[in-house]
Amino acid sequence: DGGITQSPKYLFRKEGQNVTLSCEQNLNHDAMYWYRQDPGQGLRLIYYSQIVNDFQKGDIAEGYSVSREKKESFPLTVTSAQKNPTAFYLCASTDIQRSNQPQHFGDGTRLSIL
Amino acid sequence: QQPVQSPQAVILREGEDAVINCSSSKALYSVHWYRQKHGEAPVFLMILLKGGEQKGHEKISASFNEKKQQSSLYLTASQLSYSGTYFCGTEKIHNTDKLIFGTGTRLQVFP
Repeated sequence: DGGITQSPKYLFRKEGQNVTLSCEQNLNHDAMYWYRQDPGQGLRLIYYSQIVNDFQKGDIAEGYSVSREKKESFPLTVTSAQKNPTAFYLCASTDIQRSNQPQHFGDGTRLSIL
Repeated sequence: QQPVQSPQAVILREGEDAVINCSSSKALYSVHWYRQKHGEAPVFLMILLKGGEQKGHEKISASFNEKKQQSSLYLTASQLSYSGTYFCGTEKIHNTDKLIFGTGTRLQVFP
């Protein structure tokens, strides 16, 4: 079954620590996205990538970093510079080879501060 | 630039209808609708393109009014399974592949 796998489901971060959230897709999609969702809020774009080895900042990139070394994988690192990292993080992908395609989402990672 | 959704919350009895609106101050190319259950991934419902087409899928349909830059999602004869938060995602330019999401409308359906 094709889809997007995010891991872990829950993650705890200590002060001053960097943590990495995993996102893997087997849909053969070129574009991948990371969103942050706070309680009662919409989805805000952190980073996105449309091709391997290239990515762009979204609206709230400060304190985050990404890499795109493989088409299937788009890990997100929450650095110690992100002072308020507690949120629900969603990864998505879409097929940009065809027009007007939906975004497919993973099940999310819930990050909390210890 | 974030689209505005209204209402913020809706409470329904099973079988009742609801309309959720998504408005933008900027010209739009497309509007995507998603439903998210608490703690889960958003699930795609439908895409509306510039041109004012209406789409439907069982008892959920949507329209796009290009003049008003507004999309409306219609839920007819609601079922318990319709409960969740509905988000619109808007795309201003064709093929940017980047969506800006509204803050969501929380819908609760009771028996």
